[in-house]
Amino acid sequence: GQSLEQPSEVTAVEGAIVQINCTYQTSGFYGLSWYQQHDGGAPTFLSYNALDGLEETGRFSSFLSRSDSYGYLLLQELQMKDSASYFCAVSYNTDKLIFGTGTRLQVFP
Amino acid sequence: KAGVTQTPRYLIKTRGQQVTLSCSPISGHRSVSWYQQTPGQGLQFLFEYFSETQRNKGNFPGRFSGRQFSNSRSEMNVSTLELGDSALYLCASSRTQNTEAFFGQGTRLTVV
Repeated sequence: GQSLEQPSEVTAVEGAIVQINCTYQTSGFYGLSWYQQHDGGAPTFLSYNALDGLEETGRFSSFLSRSDSYGYLLLQELQMKDSASYFCAVSYNTDKLIFGTGTRLQVFP
Repeated sequence: KAGVTQTPRYLIKTRGQQVTLSCSPISGHRSVSWYQQTPGQGLQFLFEYFSETQRNKGNFPGRFSGRQFSNSRSEMNVSTLELGDSALYLCASSRTQNTEAFFGQGTRLTVV
């Protein structure tokens, strides 16, 4: 199968740091992406990792460890507007993009 | 540059009917994927098209079908609608499947 696991919900306060983990099955793995979706909106792309290591884009960073079949999204200096659902997605070498069930992040003042 | 356009935005159908949803990808994008989103289930992969060919299909019954035209526009069809088909149907386009996917606003289908 090609399933992904991520926590269903995470809460944090403004200014804090939060990490959202994602584990996946390796068969045919090509790369790991992260998407953000606000209520009522469409998912929007945040980051993509094909190689091991950390990719940093402003307050958001994404990490991948291919040997552990694991990645995470790190959100720093949390703001209220970061309250949204975050999806990890795996690209497979069959050109299929499979999404996790999403992690709902709630940021409190 | 226009984004991904899905029509209609909202749709109400009765059980047993069939429905066709449309997706116009970003110009130059040849890969179009469809997803079903329901609360708690995330985005469930339906199928992916590239240059008019279905390359991948998810675990959905045969009532769900799709196609892609030569201009990369795509349609998906659901026949014999069931109450459980009520969901947000999202279309995403990309240059290839392993690059950033751009999503449309979705079609919210309600089956009554």
